Amino acid sequence: AQKITQTQPGMFVQEKEAVTLDCTYDTSDQSYGLFWYKQPSSGEMIFLIYQGSYDEQNATEGRYSLNFQKARKSANLVISASQLGDSAMYFCAMRAVYGNNRLAFGKGNQVVVIP
Amino acid sequence: DAGVIQSPRHEVTEMGQEVTLRCKPISGHNSLFWYRQTMMRGLELLIYFNNNVPIDDSGMPEDRFSAKMPNASFSTLKIQPSEPRDSAVYFCASSFGTTITPETQYFGPGTRLLVL
Repeated sequence: AQKITQTQPGMFVQEKEAVTLDCTYDTSDQSYGLFWYKQPSSGEMIFLIYQGSYDEQNATEGRYSLNFQKARKSANLVISASQLGDSAMYFCAMRAVYGNNRLAFGKGNQVVVIP
Repeated sequence: DAGVIQSPRHEVTEMGQEVTLRCKPISGHNSLFWYRQTMMRGLELLIYFNNNVPIDDSGMPEDRFSAKMPNASFSTLKIQPSEPRDSAVYFCASSFGTTITPETQYFGPGTRLLVL
């Protein structure tokens, strides 16, 4: 079974600063994918970034980057130059390549960006 | 392109009533997922379909819940009879699956269900 751990308390971040959200995972699968989703107060789940377990480079998507440390089983999300619109809950998730399509989610990290 | 479409966006009903949630996946996607989100339990996968066939329904809470996918562009999640503990946000998500990579799931806006 896969397990995602996000244990940081709610975070306040100054606008224009960077923030790192921690995510650790536990799996016996060798091939898997890691995802980050954003859920603003309006409630929708927005896909941000994906990292494959065999990808040698850390994934980047605009201001989002994923600090992937496979040996440590961590997949931290870095948001650079925070904006007020980044205030949201952020969820880390993973799914094995082989097997069923079940996406395992963490409990989420709350981020509030302050001006 | 249109994303995943869910209806209704909000539903308030009384205990014992039947509730039907609807989902239209992204065109061309072959997998569809129903999730439930509550404060206590977070995001839970209820059921998922691949090519319109239910693959894993182990997350469906009990017999009061049922899901169908009659074609590639439509799915329903039905609760009958509804109970107050079913109050939650229900998300539908879709993806295009291959056997090579774990595909990204794209979520709909969710249906906020309140059972009184």
